[in-house]
Amino acid sequence: DTAVSQTPKYLVTQMGNDKSIKCEQNLGHDTMYWYKQDSKKFLKIMFSYNNKELIINETVPNRFSPKSPDKAHLNLHINSLELGDSAVYFCASSQGRDGYTFGSGTRLTVV
Amino acid sequence: RKEVEQDPGPFNVPEGATVAFNCTYSNSASQSFFWYRQDCRKEPKLLMSVYSSGNEDGRFTAQLNRASQYISLLIRDSKLSDSATYLCVVNIRNGGKLIFGQGTELSVKP
Repeated sequence: DTAVSQTPKYLVTQMGNDKSIKCEQNLGHDTMYWYKQDSKKFLKIMFSYNNKELIINETVPNRFSPKSPDKAHLNLHINSLELGDSAVYFCASSQGRDGYTFGSGTRLTVV
Repeated sequence: RKEVEQDPGPFNVPEGATVAFNCTYSNSASQSFFWYRQDCRKEPKLLMSVYSSGNEDGRFTAQLNRASQYISLLIRDSKLSDSATYLCVVNIRNGGKLIFGQGTELSVKP
């Protein structure tokens, strides 16, 4: 069983479109995250939810909107996609002081 | 100044070599420290946590110096399978966001 699963794995779309990425974890963790890894390989946090509540919201364009229907799911919706949004988006979850468990990533390409 | 800084490499070493990675962090309030490994086009995976007393896991040894705000990872007897990017990671508040360094690329050659 995959601990943190995200879909789709690959997403190619045109500028201006709206798209969603889904994430689910079966680890029973309370906290979930979205990270972005750009072309320079830097991983930067975007959002964090703890038990469905938003606790971290970094400086991210408001075209990005996370939604957590329950503590096992954290989805990311992106409006009006731009070329600069092309990146790999990783979902992760954690519990307490432990490190994160990451999903396998969604490679988004905006053309 | 970046919050977590690493030498990006690449480090090219022969099999069997010992290689050391260094990392510095800027926030003295950092509480938890980790090394992650990321293979090409894969997700980061936790390699080991880092404790003030230093800790070892097989061929891997991690050290933390809080006074100097410095973290290290030593890999002994390098294997081809150790080729990856190694990410230094700190957590300001336990359970809070992880802050990643840019990663150090390691390539182990036969």
